Amino acid sequence: NAGVTQTPKFRVLKTGQSMTLLCAQDMNHEYMYWYRQDPGMGLRLIHYSVGEGTTAKGEVPDGYNVSRLKKQNFLLGLESAAPSQTSVYFCASSYSGGSETQYFGPGTRLLVL
Amino acid sequence: AQTVTQSQPEMSVQEAETVTLSCTYDTSESDYYLFWYKQPPSRQMILVIRQEAYKQQNATENRFSVNFQKAAKSFSLKISDSQLGDAAMYFCAYSGSARQLTFGSGTQLTVLP
Repeated sequence: NAGVTQTPKFRVLKTGQSMTLLCAQDMNHEYMYWYRQDPGMGLRLIHYSVGEGTTAKGEVPDGYNVSRLKKQNFLLGLESAAPSQTSVYFCASSYSGGSETQYFGPGTRLLVL
Repeated sequence: AQTVTQSQPEMSVQEAETVTLSCTYDTSESDYYLFWYKQPPSRQMILVIRQEAYKQQNATENRFSVNFQKAAKSFSLKISDSQLGDAAMYFCAYSGSARQLTFGSGTQLTVLP
């Protein structure tokens, strides 16, 4: 039981490049989330999904897109990376929202030059 | 929108002593959940404890307990018999009707041997 996994662990991009971060969970959770964590700040929600085929915007969605084609996977895309997107990205999943515990992946560190 | 405030960016405690981390939140909702997450140097986010707002009894998990003051919108975490492994960043988080977590900015806890 791997829980929540994220690929890649670390990536360096040049401004304007695109990339996709992959999140996978094997707990059959309905809800999945993408957060970013910047120094001196807590995690901020980028996008989330309440089930296969659904996505919704969080607090800081600009510059990102997401897709949930399969229940176990949640992809985060950067179409044209900017230095402001340098951050640590966390994926999380939960059985449902609200009171349910969110289980987090190990994070992806992204550096945009 | 809900906000979560952690006013102590850094705290330190002597091993085996007790420390209390503060958290306040702002909400107009009556039904919500509060969480404390721990983030050690490995960056993995780990749930420490959670509290349902409708429950008057404070949650306890082994050496970790909370002081939940609903009227004051306060949710502090007490760590008893502190251990070196407790050293981490601690985040307070809120989940309400939007079923999304809103995090505070975190408190860095150092445990002194």
